[in-house]
Amino acid sequence: KAGVTQTPRYLIKTRGQQVTLSCSPISGHRSVSWYQQTPGQGLQFLFEYFSETQRNKGNFPGRFSGRQFSNSRSEMNVSTLELGDSALYLCASFQDNTEAFFGQGTRLTVV
Amino acid sequence: GENVEQHPSTLSVQEGDSAVIKCTYSDSASNYFPWYKQELGKRPQLIIDIRSNVGEKKDQRIAVTLNKTAKHFSLHITETQPEDSAVYFCADGGRSQGNLIFGKGTKLSVKP
Repeated sequence: KAGVTQTPRYLIKTRGQQVTLSCSPISGHRSVSWYQQTPGQGLQFLFEYFSETQRNKGNFPGRFSGRQFSNSRSEMNVSTLELGDSALYLCASFQDNTEAFFGQGTRLTVV
Repeated sequence: GENVEQHPSTLSVQEGDSAVIKCTYSDSASNYFPWYKQELGKRPQLIIDIRSNVGEKKDQRIAVTLNKTAKHFSLHITETQPEDSAVYFCADGGRSQGNLIFGKGTKLSVKP
């Protein structure tokens, strides 16, 4: 069974640009969550999606958005990038009563 | 809002010793508490989790205890090995694993 796949693995963007990250969950998993990991703030919850609907949202500005498609794949978008958005963005997928499985993450660097 | 405090932030032990990491949470309605291990450059991986209907759970050298009254839970690793060296994160899963509130992490170093 393939794991959670995130693309791309690495990204370098300039301040003010926007970026889209992709997450393909484990086959059969309908729930996807996104997290931001930084050395200073640790792992912080961004959003959770289930069956194309946002079920929960973390405390991030509106520049951070996401969506989920009918095949459960999810994307997150960050607009007007700031230097502080540099982080490892992790996606996790799960089903009821299973653990959350994390992808390898996308390392975003904003310069 | 929900908050998870994790201690210590760093822990160094000799191979074969035990390691204990403690977390406290604020939401009394929470009933799912996972622990994740993250090796350098790798994804977080679940090592053990506990739900509020039990007070303790063991899996070989790893155990987790939960005290709902005091709102704290702990990870216990016995007979530590160098490959246990990693950053360990506790989390408060509320009622599900979809919205995890993580502690700041504990960097465990096991010296041979």
